[in-house]
Amino acid sequence: EAQVTQNPRYLITVTGKKLTVTCSQNMNHEYMSWYRQDPGLGLRQIYYSMNVEVTDKGDVPEGYKVSRKEKRNFPLILESPSPNQTSLYFCASSRRSGNSMSGTEAFFGQGTRLTVV
Amino acid sequence: AQKITQTQPGMFVQEKEAVTLDCTYDTSDPSYGLFWYKQPSSGEMIFLIYQGSYDQQNATEGRYSLNFQKARKSANLVISASQLGDSAMYFCAMREGSIFNKFYFGSGTKLNVKP
Repeated sequence: EAQVTQNPRYLITVTGKKLTVTCSQNMNHEYMSWYRQDPGLGLRQIYYSMNVEVTDKGDVPEGYKVSRKEKRNFPLILESPSPNQTSLYFCASSRRSGNSMSGTEAFFGQGTRLTVV
Repeated sequence: AQKITQTQPGMFVQEKEAVTLDCTYDTSDPSYGLFWYKQPSSGEMIFLIYQGSYDQQNATEGRYSLNFQKARKSANLVISASQLGDSAMYFCAMREGSIFNKFYFGSGTKLNVKP
């Protein structure tokens, strides 16, 4: 089954304690990205990756790190979490677009609800 | 400027009626795609429908259709014959065809279907 798998689904942590949220996809997609969802703000992109070893900042990258050492995995790292990073996080993957965008919709993981106290 | 604007934070519709969720977008890229997603209360993101910038016809998928008005840069989602299970958050998204291939999402519209 084609899917994007995020872990953990729920996480409560304390300020400053490093954490990693894992993301893996089995569709051989080139493009992967991380979003955070906050009420009234929709989904905001944190980082994205167009392929292995190619990553770039999205709209809200401060306080986050990513890496793309393998095509299927794209972990999100919070080196020193703070309460303002309490949010719902989504990983997503998609094909890169060619001449047509058809079939390039993003596939989302189940989400990770993070609380930083 | 906002790339995707959804001006309706919340909407109500009577069961079996049609409803239109508004979405406007901003891009100078001639190649782009427009997407709608549904997020039920369980939290997952479900892809509903896609419209390409070069597509001449409005996209349809079952009870969902996309009213694409390119000159006005609008991509409204129309849900016909609303069902209680349509109650959810709906997000409009755009993907540009530039080298960066980025996705942009709107702030969402919360739809409540009344019995």
